[in-house]
Formats: sequence, structure tokens, C-alpha cells
Amino acid sequence: AQSVTQPDIHITVSEGASLELRCNYSYGATPYLFWYVQSPGQGLQLLLKYFSGDTLVQGIKGFEAEFKRSQSSFNLRKPSVHWSDAAEYFCAVQGTYKYIFGTGTRLKVLA
Amino acid sequence: EAGVAQSPRYKIIEKRQSVAFWCNPISGHATLYWYQQILGQGPKLLIQFQNNGVVDDSQLPKDRFSAERLKGVDSTLKIQPAKLEDSAVYLCASTGQGSTTNEKLFFGSGTQLSVL
Repeated sequence: AQSVTQPDIHITVSEGASLELRCNYSYGATPYLFWYVQSPGQGLQLLLKYFSGDTLVQGIKGFEAEFKRSQSSFNLRKPSVHWSDAAEYFCAVQGTYKYIFGTGTRLKVLA
Repeated sequence: EAGVAQSPRYKIIEKRQSVAFWCNPISGHATLYWYQQILGQGPKLLIQFQNNGVVDDSQLPKDRFSAERLKGVDSTLKIQPAKLEDSAVYLCASTGQGSTTNEKLFFGSGTQLSVL
């Protein structure tokens, strides 16, 4: 069955520190993978996506993600977090017909 | 280019009442999704349409929820009767191509439903 797991519900980092948000998926083949961000009171915005090719994907706002087939993971990273990155982050998987979201990771940034 | 339009923006009803939400996807988008996002959770897929046909409604509580997309363009999601646990934001999203392409979802601003 197709599923997405984001094991960290909350993460707190200091501004300027590096960030890694975890995402694990379950799907029989290589899925299409996405990261979305949702700021308070805002809609969901696509950060980046992976469907084939280079396993390191660059996105907007300085984010990147790496697809690791052996670990069924698609972790999101940013080398230096800004206060404006505080938001909720959702990993999503698109397999046959279904577009499924994880439960989200809420990021808090300390000044 | 106009985005995904949803209305109303907010709705407050009492339990056991009925409510309907409307969505107009981006022009030309064949695939339309309805998601339910409960506070603090990720969006949960309720139903997916490809043109005017249902592709997936496995997580739609069919005893109280219904949705239609009669002409393959705009869509309506209805809840009858509403329960307290239906309080959530209902998101409509669309993509242009078939259901297995790697396109991003275009989301509407959502309808925030409060059931009292």
C-alpha cells in the first residue's frame, strides 16, 4: 500500500543552523515525491519534486532533498535556516492514481 | 492565470446540519482532488476525479459525504449530516494531466468548516 511517514512532529532549530526533515515512503515502484510548505494561514506551496534522474533535487528558498531508494527516504535539507522558514512541512507521494501527504513536521526557528 | 477557486472561505454550522463546498479548478485541468485537513494534521485525500469520473473515493465517508463533478469542470462536496469531527479545512486541488504524472498540485485557499 502507498503511504508516507514523517517521524518528527515538531522540530526546533536556531536561525542559521542547518535543517533536515525526514520523510519515508512506502510504494511498490519508484514514486513521484514532493515537499510542500504551509505557512500559518497560507495555502500549500510546492518546494521541490523528484521523479527521476539526479537523486539530489534543488528547490525554492534554498531547500534541497535527496532521494535514497535503499532507505525509501526523501529527506528535506537546508544548510542555513531563516526565521521566515518557520512553517509546517509536508512530504507527499504520488503513486498510481493517489496523491498522499504525510502528517507534517512543524518547524520552529529560534532567533 | 486564475488559480483554483473555492467558496465559501468560512462556514459555521451546527451538528446534523448540511453544508456544501464549491470548487472551480484551473481551466483545462483534468484532475481534481478534495482533501480534508484537520488542525495539526496533513491533508487527507477524500476523493479524486479525472474529468467527470471518480478515480479514488476510498477514504470518503460515503454515509455522510458526497461529491460530484458533473461536467468535468467545477465540483461540489457535500456533508449531510455534519458531525463535530468534520471540523476541518477542506482543500480543493487540481493538476493538468493524468493521475500518474509528476505534476504539482495547485491548491485553492480552502474552506474552513466549524461544526458546533
